[in-house]
Formats: sequence, C-alpha cells, structure tokens
Amino acid sequence: DGGITQSPKYLFRKEGQNVTLSCEQNLNHDAMYWYRQDPGQGLRLIYYSQIVNDFQKGDIAEGYSVSREKKESFPLTVTSAQKNPTAFYLCASRSGRGLQETQYFGPGTRLLVL
Amino acid sequence: AQSVSQHNHHVILSEAASLELGCNYSYGGTVNLFWYVQYPGQHLQLLLKYFSGDPLVKGIKGFEAEFIKSKFSFNLRKPSVQWSDTAEYFCAVTRGGFQKLVFGTGTRLLVSP
Repeated sequence: DGGITQSPKYLFRKEGQNVTLSCEQNLNHDAMYWYRQDPGQGLRLIYYSQIVNDFQKGDIAEGYSVSREKKESFPLTVTSAQKNPTAFYLCASRSGRGLQETQYFGPGTRLLVL
Repeated sequence: AQSVSQHNHHVILSEAASLELGCNYSYGGTVNLFWYVQYPGQHLQLLLKYFSGDPLVKGIKGFEAEFIKSKFSFNLRKPSVQWSDTAEYFCAVTRGGFQKLVFGTGTRLLVSP
C-alpha cells in the first residue's frame, strides 16, 4: 500500500525528555511537512523539507528539531525546550511538481506529557 | 496578518439538512484553496481543491465549494447531509511558489440522525 505512516500512535513524554516521532512515506514525494493540531487552533506548521538534506522552520519551530537524511523519512524530535508539547502531530507529504500540488496526511501521533 | 478564517466553530444539523461552511482568506494575488475533512478517529483527508478554472469545484461524497475571488471566500456546501458527515472540516490556503498551507481553525459538524 502506498501512503504515509506515523508511529507511534500515542506517545508519552516525561518532563525534560526528548522524544522522536516517526514519519515515513512510500509515495516518492520530495516535500514533507510536520504540523501540530490543537483544539480550536487548526493545524500549524512546525517544519518542512523540500528535498533531502534540506529543511526550513515553519511558524512554530521553537522546541522542535527535524532531519531529512532519506527521501522517505522525516522524523520530528520534540525537545525538552518545548514547554507545551501535548498535541496531535501530523506529518504530510506533497504530490506533483510545480504550483498545482496537494498535500496528503498521515494518521498522526498523539503526544501526552506525564 | 495573513490568515484563513472559518467563522463557524461548531455546527449541528439534522440529516437531510443543507450545509454551508464559510471560509475567508486574507491573501491577495493567486491562491490555491483546499477543504480537508477529519472523520472521528481517522486522518485528515482531502475533500476538494481549487487551483484555477471553474470556480465551482466538486469534491468527494457530494461536497462542493465555490471560489468567489471578490469576496476572498471558498465556502463548502452540501445539499443534504448524512450522519456519516459528522467530522471536523478545515479550510486551507497556499500562495507563492512553495506550498505552505495555512489552515483555518476548523469547523466541527455534528449531524444528528
């Protein structure tokens, strides 16, 4: 099956701990994205990557880090510097080339702070 | 600030009622417009999109949206909703050469049987 997978489905973080959320796609998409979803706030962009070994900060990058060593993978690390990490995290990738493109989303990871 | 506004945060309808969810954006120039839906327990799915051409766009499951450039709007409509339409609906906009989606805050739709 082609698609975007995220793991784990639920993740618990202790105070002061870094945690890493996985995102893998087998759609051969160049661009990948991380969003954070909070109730009543919609989705906000954390980081994005247009190509392997390149990534840019989104609107709320503080307290997060990413890497893009492989086309298929775009892991997100929630560091201890992120003071309010409890949220639903969505990974997306983009189809096509040029201006008419669509982002497709993974199933999400819900992060909870203990 | 550039933004996307969804004025209805919660909508409750009975089955067979008509639906219209508002979406307004504040960008000038060329935009691409999207509606995504998130059913309970499922991931975000594309409902429909507008890039150019006919401003009336038809999507999956009987949904449609109309792009009105003069009003900076992209409202979502469905003539007759079903219980299975219960979900959260997000409007999103991109502009510029790279697709950086900006989302509205979402509308929770509850359809009672």
